Amino acid sequence: GNSVTQMEGPVTLSEEAFLTINCTYTATGYPSLFWYVQYPGEGLQLLLKATKADDKGSNKGFEATYRKETTSFHLEKGSVQVSDSAVYFCALSPIQGAQKLVFGQGTRLTINP
Amino acid sequence: DAGVTQSPTHLIKTRGQQVTLRCSPISGHKSVSWYQQVLGQGPQFIFQYYEKEERGRGNFPDRFSARQFPNYSSELNVNALLLGDSALYLCASSPWTASGNTIYFGEGSWLTVV
Repeated sequence: GNSVTQMEGPVTLSEEAFLTINCTYTATGYPSLFWYVQYPGEGLQLLLKATKADDKGSNKGFEATYRKETTSFHLEKGSVQVSDSAVYFCALSPIQGAQKLVFGQGTRLTINP
Repeated sequence: DAGVTQSPTHLIKTRGQQVTLRCSPISGHKSVSWYQQVLGQGPQFIFQYYEKEERGRGNFPDRFSARQFPNYSSELNVNALLLGDSALYLCASSPWTASGNTIYFGEGSWLTVV
């Protein structure tokens, strides 16, 4: 079946540190891959996406590359800010069947000034 | 343009009661889906509706039902509420149904069952 595994949190970093949140997936075929962010008390916001192998999604300084060979979609940012503190979810959308997102368990990120 | 709007934002129900949650998709979006997010976990897919027809259902009991109206808005109904149904219920919309489409989420409806 389809599943997503994220690195366990919480993750705590200092401002301007380098961020990596690991995400691997299991799916039939080549799903689309997404990173969503959830700020405290809010719904989910799309951060970035990639729809085919070797695609790189980017937004707000965050990047993730769709790696078919390692079935991974790791999230990176070169210099984090306090405002990046949130919960980050990796998700896939299967290529067939209903349009839906299969989410990982989420990684809580806290950035200290 | 307005995003996905959901109502109510918060509600408290008693075990055994029934609840109806409402969702209006982004204008022009024909696909609506529902997710349940239990505290500390990722959202779980409940239903997808496209052009008023159910296109997919997650692993939820028959107590959960939904429908989509001609204006593409949607309702999620949960009968015989259990304590474990306490969660954030998220509605999401997209223009049509395809794997690579961006799915846009509302702020959610917080349901507490006591």
